[in-house]
Amino acid sequence: QVHLVQSGAEVKEPGASVRVSCKASGYTFSNHWMHWVRQAPGQGLDWLGMISPNGGLRSYSQNFQGRVTMTRDTSTSTVYMELSSLRSEDTAIYYCARDPGDTSGYFPDYWGQGTLVTVSS
Amino acid sequence: SYELTQPPSVSVSPGQTARITCSGDALPKKYAYWYQQKSGQAPVLAIYEDTKRPSGIPERFSGSSSGTMATLTISGAQVEDEADYYCYSTDSSDNMLWVFGGGTKLTVL
Repeated sequence: QVHLVQSGAEVKEPGASVRVSCKASGYTFSNHWMHWVRQAPGQGLDWLGMISPNGGLRSYSQNFQGRVTMTRDTSTSTVYMELSSLRSEDTAIYYCARDPGDTSGYFPDYWGQGTLVTVSS
Repeated sequence: SYELTQPPSVSVSPGQTARITCSGDALPKKYAYWYQQKSGQAPVLAIYEDTKRPSGIPERFSGSSSGTMATLTISGAQVEDEADYYCYSTDSSDNMLWVFGGGTKLTVL
């Protein structure tokens, strides 16, 4: 079955960067886009962007353009999301989520367990 | 930027029908998707491409879309359906930029 295991919680100071990893198993990693979504405490879901199966295409939300970078390593079936210039408002749970890949739209179907990133001085 | 509008809350008694709406200007041309998120858990896909139900989602969950509004219907809502529900869609011609609605808290009591 599809399994997405994310890296552990992080605490960062304002202005720093954070990298969250997401290791996939249970399906053919190189056939599926991957999404990143975040959720601030007590708030709704916020789509950050997505990365293509081979990593050659990325689409980022305009809200994070210039601060977010998504990459993937096919050899380890791992996707990474790096967010820079962190501020307190970036404190959130960050989720990776697989795209099913066989439909007309791009949407998450299976989700990771989430990674809490806390930005605090 | 594109916005999807949902009511903040909906409340029903067990066994009643719950309807959660999602309004967006591009919905006449684009699919809507729905996610259920229970407290402390990751979201779960409930409906995709307006009306399709993934395996494992109970039949009481259904979706529809008409004009600029998509609707998630839970027929005979159960206490365990109490959760936050989010719609998701796009307005970009190449389907490369996506957004979530603000979410609706469904209370079943």
